[in-house]
Amino acid sequence: VVMTQSPLSLPVTLGQPASISCRSSQSLLYSDGDDYLSWFQQRPGQSPRRLIYKVSNRDSGVPDRFSGSGSGTDFTLKISRVEAEDVGVYYCMQGTHWPLTFGGGTTVEIK
Amino acid sequence: QVQLVESGGGVVQPGRSLTLSCAASGFNFNTYVMFWVRQPPGRGLEWVAALSSDGTDEFYAYSVEGRFTISRDTFEKTLYLEMGSLKADDTAVYYCARGRYYGDLGLDWGQGALVTVSS
Repeated sequence: VVMTQSPLSLPVTLGQPASISCRSSQSLLYSDGDDYLSWFQQRPGQSPRRLIYKVSNRDSGVPDRFSGSGSGTDFTLKISRVEAEDVGVYYCMQGTHWPLTFGGGTTVEIK
Repeated sequence: QVQLVESGGGVVQPGRSLTLSCAASGFNFNTYVMFWVRQPPGRGLEWVAALSSDGTDEFYAYSVEGRFTISRDTFEKTLYLEMGSLKADDTAVYYCARGRYYGDLGLDWGQGALVTVSS
């Protein structure tokens, strides 16, 4: 399953919203009724950190300015008000089909 | 707290083998699916392998199938990745990660181990 993210780069003004799109080449709907789509943040020089699992569930400790939505093949990560600590690369990943696959990444930077 | 600590990285010649380890602590190792994910320098993330909580089911990316083997030692609470017939394209930071189920990759991540394949 190919995961396609857009945009590749996202310059954002502090305090403004940001949105990243992720599209899959096949539906991510699993037989149990869930879409296994996750979002990860990788700050410069750090390991990835998961923000969202199963489309819209925030991981523990993730600020509520991060939200995920979508279904089937179209998914979105939104940051309601970008903060300086949000700079980094964001990846989507599908966990429905083998092999597990990541999107190519979206770099969020401050204008 | 949960800790995943990779070790065993280094420089290795093409065609040779190397084994990575990931020491787990702070959680019940026996009940989690474990994963290896890699990231070539300056590039994105690539899932490499997954192993069921009881160690009986293994899954591999096409790029490493037949060359890499994932395994776990329940007693030592350690995950392994045996890498054989290494190629320059295998050069990457290798992360171990855990999840509650196969679609749950990334609940927690290690700090990564750099493997450089070069003559």
